[in-house]
Amino acid sequence: GDSVTQMEGPVTLSEEAFLTINCTYTATGYPSLFWYVQYPGEGLQLLLKATKADDKGSNKGFEATYRKETTSFHLEKGSVQVSDSAVYFCALTWMNRDDKIIFGKGTRLHILP
Amino acid sequence: GAVVSQHPSWVICKSGTSVKIECRSLDFQATTMFWYRQFPKQSLMLMATSNEGSKATYEQGVEKDKFLINHASLTLSTLTVTSAHPEDSSFYICSARAGGGTGELFFGEGSRLTVL
Repeated sequence: GDSVTQMEGPVTLSEEAFLTINCTYTATGYPSLFWYVQYPGEGLQLLLKATKADDKGSNKGFEATYRKETTSFHLEKGSVQVSDSAVYFCALTWMNRDDKIIFGKGTRLHILP
Repeated sequence: GAVVSQHPSWVICKSGTSVKIECRSLDFQATTMFWYRQFPKQSLMLMATSNEGSKATYEQGVEKDKFLINHASLTLSTLTVTSAHPEDSSFYICSARAGGGTGELFFGEGSRLTVL
């Protein structure tokens, strides 16, 4: 079945370090891919998205490129901040039909000052 | 952008009581809403798909008599946790899709339930 796999956390980095959180997917058709972020005690927020192959989503210094050949959507940021500490969820859904969203298990990120 | 609102944000109840959580799409109509549960430090688990005017579709392993879902209108879905127990304590999140069912998915702020 359709699924999303992301690297397990927690991931602990020092401030200004480079971040990569890996995400790969298995899906039929042509899904759209998302990264959501959940700050402590809060709900989910959309961080970025890409709706077709080779699209790059970006927001707040984070980037992810939709790679159909490797079925991946890795999240990257060049220089993380303490305020980036949160749980990050990779997800997929289909924009051409009303269907549920499938999440990865989430990766907890800790940034040390 | 579109807004999905949940109420209450926090609720504490005694074991054995029932708790209702509302999910509203404030500026769009949602024929379908989704309810998720999140255990501490774990991922989101889809509980059910709420369909306006019809019965909800529950995921495997979710007790439909325990978690009652009603989607009475195009802007409101409710989740009622019946006879709550401490193990039901969790963070419950709803989502709805804008754009007539094919648009972007928006999430509520979440409702944290603590059962004493």
